[in-house]
Amino acid sequence: GQNIDQPTEMTATEGAIVQINCTYQTSGFNGLFWYQQHAGEAPTFLSYNVLDGLEEKGRFSSFLSRSKGYSYLLLKELQMKDSASYLCAAAKGGNKLTFGTGTQLKVEL
Amino acid sequence: SAVISQKPSRDICQRGTSLTIQCQVDSQVTMMFWYRQQPGQSLTLIATANQGSEATYESGFVIDKFPISRPNLTFSTLTVSNMSPEDSSIYLCSVILNTEAFFGQGTRLTVV
Repeated sequence: GQNIDQPTEMTATEGAIVQINCTYQTSGFNGLFWYQQHAGEAPTFLSYNVLDGLEEKGRFSSFLSRSKGYSYLLLKELQMKDSASYLCAAAKGGNKLTFGTGTQLKVEL
Repeated sequence: SAVISQKPSRDICQRGTSLTIQCQVDSQVTMMFWYRQQPGQSLTLIATANQGSEATYESGFVIDKFPISRPNLTFSTLTVSNMSPEDSSIYLCSVILNTEAFFGQGTRLTVV
């Protein structure tokens, strides 16, 4: 079976840094995706981690530890437009994705 | 990158009827994925559409309810058959290209 856990919601201040954690248990694990989804829109790809370590992409970074079944998404210099749902998804054989329930991030002034 | 055109973007349908959702990709891809996202929930994989063979369905989803076509490497359809209000959801198609995953804009289905 597969199990993806992430916090339901988080609140952070504009300009701050926030870390969204994701733990997973999945057989045949191929990698970990992070997506951003604004209400009423399709998910937008943010990152894909296959190897352990940190991948940095502008204000967003993603970390993976395969041995611990753990990933996080780090958002720096938060902006109001970053208010959205953030989904982690574990990929297994055949590129099938199992999604977590999403973390609703609210950025406040 | 990949651009996915999905239609219709939304529809309101009577229970008992069927709706076919189309997805067109601007690149050739081996597999296309169909997801459902129910209100306030995350995405659930319905099936994988393979060109030249039958689709592979996930647990809880069956071909009679969600028939899929995949006539070529850039196009797929998902039909939601004999609809009930419980089928009200957003349906999305997706492809993975060069380790990036792309989604269509989704079809917001309301069954009344």
